[in-house]
Amino acid sequence: SQQGEEDPQALSIQEGENATMNCSYKTSINNLQWYRQNSGRGLVHLILIRSNEREKHSGRLRVTLDTSKKSSSLLITASRAADTASYFCATHHRYSGAGSYQLTFGKGTKLSVIP
Amino acid sequence: DGGITQSPKYLFRKEGQNVTLSCEQNLNHDAMYWYRQDPGQGLRLIYYSQIVNDFQKGDIAEGYSVSREKKESFPLTVTSAQKNPTAFYLCASSMEQRGKLFFGSGTQLSVL
Repeated sequence: SQQGEEDPQALSIQEGENATMNCSYKTSINNLQWYRQNSGRGLVHLILIRSNEREKHSGRLRVTLDTSKKSSSLLITASRAADTASYFCATHHRYSGAGSYQLTFGKGTKLSVIP
Repeated sequence: DGGITQSPKYLFRKEGQNVTLSCEQNLNHDAMYWYRQDPGQGLRLIYYSQIVNDFQKGDIAEGYSVSREKKESFPLTVTSAQKNPTAFYLCASSMEQRGKLFFGSGTQLSVL
């Protein structure tokens, strides 16, 4: 099944720097979502961008979507040690064989913010 | 507080044993989901339910079973047919099919 692919797999930056993570996918989508996961915990929804939107902001987060390139990016500005976590993109698309829509997750980017 | 509660946090399964993971939500969401996460991997969909008394297989349903008798509850049974059950299991719910997911805190299942 379709899966978003995040890049890079791991990212280490100093506190105060910006962090950029990218996501590529394969087929058409209804929306794309970003989630955050702290080690051993559940995922927390960060932001949703619809297929007809190009950019969205939420606090220190900025998400872009380029449907022609089938890619998205998540920018975290002025990073903090508390931003250390894994970040997943998830594409919302028609689910094969069931006629419904489902979210399919990538493998994530592990972000480490060094104080 | 509204949310999703998964229990237990840790679970151990013996050879040939079936085990059941609990998932309860008080968000009044119609849709509920079960995902499996292996170390360093993304989430893979096991089963989902869009309404009470109805559920559909996801990408990796073999060796698992579910029920949806109440809107609030969506338990997952890992059967003895699942030969590699060690993983982190996440339950989620959503208000609408295209909306965001709310996740529980997960259950780590290990084999003794």
